Amino acid sequence: QKEVEQNSGPLSVPEGAIASLNCTYSDRGSQSFFWYRQYSGKSPELIMFIYSNGDKEDGRFTAQLNKASQYVSLLIRDSQPSDSATYLCAVNIERGSTLGRLYFGRGTQLTVWP
Amino acid sequence: GAVVSQHPSWVICKSGTSVKIECRSLDFQATTMFWYRQFPKQSLMLMATSNEGSKATYEQGVEKDKFLINHASLTLSTLTVTSAHPEDSSFYICSAPRAGRTSDTQYFGPGTRLTVL
Repeated sequence: QKEVEQNSGPLSVPEGAIASLNCTYSDRGSQSFFWYRQYSGKSPELIMFIYSNGDKEDGRFTAQLNKASQYVSLLIRDSQPSDSATYLCAVNIERGSTLGRLYFGRGTQLTVWP
Repeated sequence: GAVVSQHPSWVICKSGTSVKIECRSLDFQATTMFWYRQFPKQSLMLMATSNEGSKATYEQGVEKDKFLINHASLTLSTLTVTSAHPEDSSFYICSAPRAGRTSDTQYFGPGTRLTVL
């Protein structure tokens, strides 16, 4: 398994704050990067994906990628209690395909308190 | 709505029996599907790649004779856990990649919780 590291948390932030989730990966050949949200007992839901260095914004979510540092992050602005979940970072190492095998980190548990 | 289904959603079996889990893509064809396993408080671990019409590709450390994968059609992959033991109790999740006009996405099934007594 390729190594994908995340702080397991738990991360606790107040409602309305910015939650910052971090992920590092070991394989420099990694091509695409994904953030999933997983509620207890459920399967993962895709939040965002990013392929290129820099920032990518989608609503309250911003993904940041730095391939030189092998680092990807997710910022959640205006956090809501409904954002409380485990956030999984996943990487795809397969060249020429964004639909290849995904390797997941252990996940960061986020709690947003009212 | 859901684009990938799994059946059953949960199963309890006795040690030594075999259990089959189905993964279906509902409105698209998937020549490739992936099987993952997740133990409590741990992340998803990729087990194998299911290839329609050919043998599955297993990740290092996954016993191919214990976890039999059959991808007999473009919408169905099955995972059979043979001679299941309590340590095989886990949450099994499949995914199917789907190419889109603007982005490619992997859709995850809802998962199957296996409990081996």
